[in-house]
Amino acid sequence: KQEVTQIPAALSVPEGENLVLNCSFTDSAIYNLQWFRQDPGKGLTSLLLIQSSQREQTSGRLNASLDKSSGRSTLYIAASQPGDSATYLCAVGIFFGNAGNMLTFGGGTRLMVKP
Amino acid sequence: DTAVSQTPKYLVTQMGNDKSIKCEQNLGHDTMYWYKQDSKKFLKIMFSYNNKELIINETVPNRFSPKSPDKAHLNLHINSLELGDSAVYFCASSQGLNRIYEQYFGPGTRLTVT
Repeated sequence: KQEVTQIPAALSVPEGENLVLNCSFTDSAIYNLQWFRQDPGKGLTSLLLIQSSQREQTSGRLNASLDKSSGRSTLYIAASQPGDSATYLCAVGIFFGNAGNMLTFGGGTRLMVKP
Repeated sequence: DTAVSQTPKYLVTQMGNDKSIKCEQNLGHDTMYWYKQDSKKFLKIMFSYNNKELIINETVPNRFSPKSPDKAHLNLHINSLELGDSAVYFCASSQGLNRIYEQYFGPGTRLTVT
């Protein structure tokens, strides 16, 4: 059974810092990996989707990497801003036969960027 | 424009009642999902529907029944509500089942059972 772990559970940094959020998963037979952002009381916003054959994806100040063999992904946030404060969720997609893709989520990293 | 919408946003009800949560997507997607986020913030998939056909039912009590009247809607009906059903329920959709399609989430419905 796939298990997804995110470390750290919470992170507080001053504005402007570059930071790395970590995600690890137990079963390397993944379909894809998706990073989400969740603001308090709100839904999930998709940030980046990495296919299992890809090593990284970039969007603006965000860069996500994937090392399938070691069961790890990192989300790199450059020049952090107070508006980046949110919970970041990593979700691993696994192949579910004819059903295709099923996401298993980590517990999230709660990020606070202080002005 | 709201891509994935859910109603209601908040739902407070008593144990034993039956309630429904509605979900609609205007993205033209073929696949829709229901997820549950518990008090510890863990998100777990409950159901997956593709073209109105149930694909995944992840060890969810049969008090929970998804209903898909058409491709754009996936409603969640819950019978005989229990205290442990209190959680935030998220609806999501994706273009299809292929791995290249990301999932888009609704704003969530916070269910409180008293």
